[in-house]
Amino acid sequence: NAGVMQNPRHLVRRRGQEARLRCSPMKGHSHVYWYRQLPEEGLKFMVYLQKENIIDESGMPKERFSAEFPKEGPSILRIQQVVRGDSAAYFCASSQVIGRTDTQYFGPGTRLTVL
Amino acid sequence: ELKVEQNPLFLSMQEGKNYTIYCNYSTTSDRLYWYRQDPGKSLESLFVLLSNGAVKQEGRLMASLDTKARLSTLHITAAVHDLSATYFCAALNEKLTFGTGTRLTIIP
Repeated sequence: NAGVMQNPRHLVRRRGQEARLRCSPMKGHSHVYWYRQLPEEGLKFMVYLQKENIIDESGMPKERFSAEFPKEGPSILRIQQVVRGDSAAYFCASSQVIGRTDTQYFGPGTRLTVL
Repeated sequence: ELKVEQNPLFLSMQEGKNYTIYCNYSTTSDRLYWYRQDPGKSLESLFVLLSNGAVKQEGRLMASLDTKARLSTLHITAAVHDLSATYFCAALNEKLTFGTGTRLTIIP
């Protein structure tokens, strides 16, 4: 059973470009979470999604960031018009059933560098 | 809003010594997690603590939870170099809130 998969593992963008980060949850998991980790810091919650629904986006910046988890395919975290401050590691996690109390399994992360 | 604080932030230990990492959280939490992260890698789940007085052990690591004090500890016994990593605690209340991490370096 493959774990949580994220791609790309490393992404370099110039200021003003768009970044698309993909996350495929573990098989049988229908809940996806995105976190951001700045250098030397802990992970910060961004958004919690179920298939076709955003459940909690309280950690998402109001502008330029969006997330989706379509009925088919991976979850996508999209950052428009990236700025240097967006450089970070972005981790996706998935859980199986009841998201709030179920253990989350983390993917390997996407390290975004904005030049 | 749930806040999670860890201390120390940095810890250098000699091999063979014992030490404890502390994790305080500010409001009621459903459960407490400990994770390990190696440089450039993802998070590895170490322990899930569900109730007051819970204690779990795996090898040289032991985690405990005191929900009344809102405190969890991660105790390292007879440290070895392989334990060098950053350790995070995370408390769950609506969402998972992480501490700032403790960067542990084991010195031969």
